[in-house]
Amino acid sequence: FVMTQSPLSLPVTLGQPASISCRSSQSLVHSDGNTYLTWFQQRPGQSPRRLFYRVSNRDSGVPDRFSSSGSGSDFTLRISRVEAEDVGVYYCLQGTHWQKTFGQGTKLEIK
Amino acid sequence: EVLLVESGGGLVQPGGSLRLSCAASGFMFNNFWMAWVRQAPGQGLEWVATIHPAGSVEEYVDSVKGRFTISRDNAKNFLFLQMDSLRAEDTAVFYCVRDPAKGAYDVWGQGTLVTVSS
Repeated sequence: FVMTQSPLSLPVTLGQPASISCRSSQSLVHSDGNTYLTWFQQRPGQSPRRLFYRVSNRDSGVPDRFSSSGSGSDFTLRISRVEAEDVGVYYCLQGTHWQKTFGQGTKLEIK
Repeated sequence: EVLLVESGGGLVQPGGSLRLSCAASGFMFNNFWMAWVRQAPGQGLEWVATIHPAGSVEEYVDSVKGRFTISRDNAKNFLFLQMDSLRAEDTAVFYCVRDPAKGAYDVWGQGTLVTVSS
């Protein structure tokens, strides 16, 4: 079971938008009707932090410049205007199938 | 405050054993699935193992099956990972995580480093 993120490296100018794709090798729709796709952010030197669960449910404290969408096997994390604090690595994770699988990670840096 | 604090990491020789612990506080530990996630130096995240709230179900990534055992003590609010027959490729920071629903890991510990080397 494979989760493929792109791009793996994402240089962005401050204030500009950014977009990260996450594609799964199989549909992530569970038999219970939910889609268990989670996004995490890992800032340099820190533990990962959850941003979104079940595709588009934003965690408290996550700025609304972050959004997440998608369905089936195709998902996207978007940042409307990148700020300096957004630097780090972003991971998607599928939990629908019992062997949890992370994407490879996308490293966001400021140009 | 909801907290997970790992301990037990260190340097171990190939073929050796290590037991990681995770102390949980600030929430009803026995209501949650728990898991271990690892990160090799400079690499991405990898799910390692998951355990049911009552300890009745355990799941493992293929690369650690038969070598690692996840367990928990709900009376003392601890999660454990017994690691045997360690290999160099097991070198990683190991994170204890709370799993409210199928990989939606909402609480992470600070991690504990395991180094397998002679």
